[in-house]
Amino acid sequence: DVKVTQSSRYLVKRTGEKVFLECVQDMDHENMFWYRQDPGLGLRLIYFSYDVKMKEKGDIPEGYSVSREKKERFSLILESASTNQTSMYLCASSLMGAGVNEQFFGPGTRLTVL
Amino acid sequence: SQQGEEDPQALSIQEGENATMNCSYKTSINNLQWYRQNSGRGLVHLILIRSNEREKHSGRLRVTLDTSKKSSSLLITASRAADTASYFCATVNQAGTALIFGKGTTLSVSS
Repeated sequence: DVKVTQSSRYLVKRTGEKVFLECVQDMDHENMFWYRQDPGLGLRLIYFSYDVKMKEKGDIPEGYSVSREKKERFSLILESASTNQTSMYLCASSLMGAGVNEQFFGPGTRLTVL
Repeated sequence: SQQGEEDPQALSIQEGENATMNCSYKTSINNLQWYRQNSGRGLVHLILIRSNEREKHSGRLRVTLDTSKKSSSLLITASRAADTASYFCATVNQAGTALIFGKGTTLSVSS
């Protein structure tokens, strides 16, 4: 059974803290993605990666960075968390050819920044 | 860079009824995908329809695609309480590198 796991379901952090969200997939997928989901705004792409050590900005990369040192792991980093980064964060992976293959999602991390 | 827009935003029906939700998009596509999200969870892929297909079935799901109108519809027949979820359509971004999701239709099925 294919699986995408995220390190935490719920996370509470303070303004200014450095936050790491981890995502691991066991399907040997080339592509990995980070989205945030907010009411009324839907899913918005933050960053994606199509290979180890490769990364591409999505629609809303400001305030975030990513790391992909191993194929199975894609980390999202909030360098200095702010209250407007309170959101649901979803990680996904897919085979090569993001547009033609389905994406597999993790369960999400609900981050609250106080 | 919203590509797909679902309609309606919310839909409430009784068990056994059919549910239809629509998706409109802006640019030409190779395929369109539909996903479901149960409350507070990740998204699950339902079905992919290619641009050269007009209709596709999967169990109680029927998806149609009209490329001339740049629209797609998802029909769930004989709905069940377990179908209560948000449904999203997704198309590829212009660079062909990632999916863009609509804002979703929230479906509520009551017994």
